[in-house]
Amino acid sequence: DVKVTQSSRYLVKRTGEKVFLECVQDMDHENMFWYRQDPGLGLRLIYFSYDVKMKEKGDIPEGYSVSREKKERFSLILESASTNQTSMYLCASSFAVGGETQYFGPGTRLLVL
Amino acid sequence: GENVEQHPSTLSVQEGDSAVIKCTYSDSASNYFPWYKQELGKRPQLIIDIRSNVGEKKDQRIAVTLNKTAKHFSLHITETQPEDSAVYFCAASLNSGYSTLTFGKGTMLLVSP
Repeated sequence: DVKVTQSSRYLVKRTGEKVFLECVQDMDHENMFWYRQDPGLGLRLIYFSYDVKMKEKGDIPEGYSVSREKKERFSLILESASTNQTSMYLCASSFAVGGETQYFGPGTRLLVL
Repeated sequence: GENVEQHPSTLSVQEGDSAVIKCTYSDSASNYFPWYKQELGKRPQLIIDIRSNVGEKKDQRIAVTLNKTAKHFSLHITETQPEDSAVYFCAASLNSGYSTLTFGKGTMLLVSP
């Protein structure tokens, strides 16, 4: 059974803080994704990675960066958190970028004050 | 890039009724169309998907139909049950390469006993 875990379920940060969200998958998937979920806006792709140290921008990369130093781990970084980054963040992994099932983590609900 | 429109945004049905959720996509090259279900407080999970070489796919009470000419696909749930209550997301992508999923904005389905 595929397992995708995220480091925190809930997080409260102050404006301007540096925030790290971590995601770990145990299925040896090549591909990992970070999404942002907001009511009425669905799931929007922030960044994805198709291999260790490789990353590609998604639809809304501004204000975010990512790191993939190990195959099983994909981190999302908010360099200087802002209130408009308050959201639910979902990580996912899959065997392929396109055309394959994506397995999601439980999500991190981030509140930036 | 791809754009996926999903309707309706909310859908209320009585237990036992059928429910239909419709999506349209803009990129005629898209050929992979998954549907994800997200129960309240849970992670999205794939429930069914269809590729462009078939027009319809069924799995027990759920079915998906695809009309490539019109660029739309639909999720059909028959004999709805309260446990079908959730947010449903459609998505589209190419079946290969680095084509990422583009999600619709979601449909909240409420099944009343």
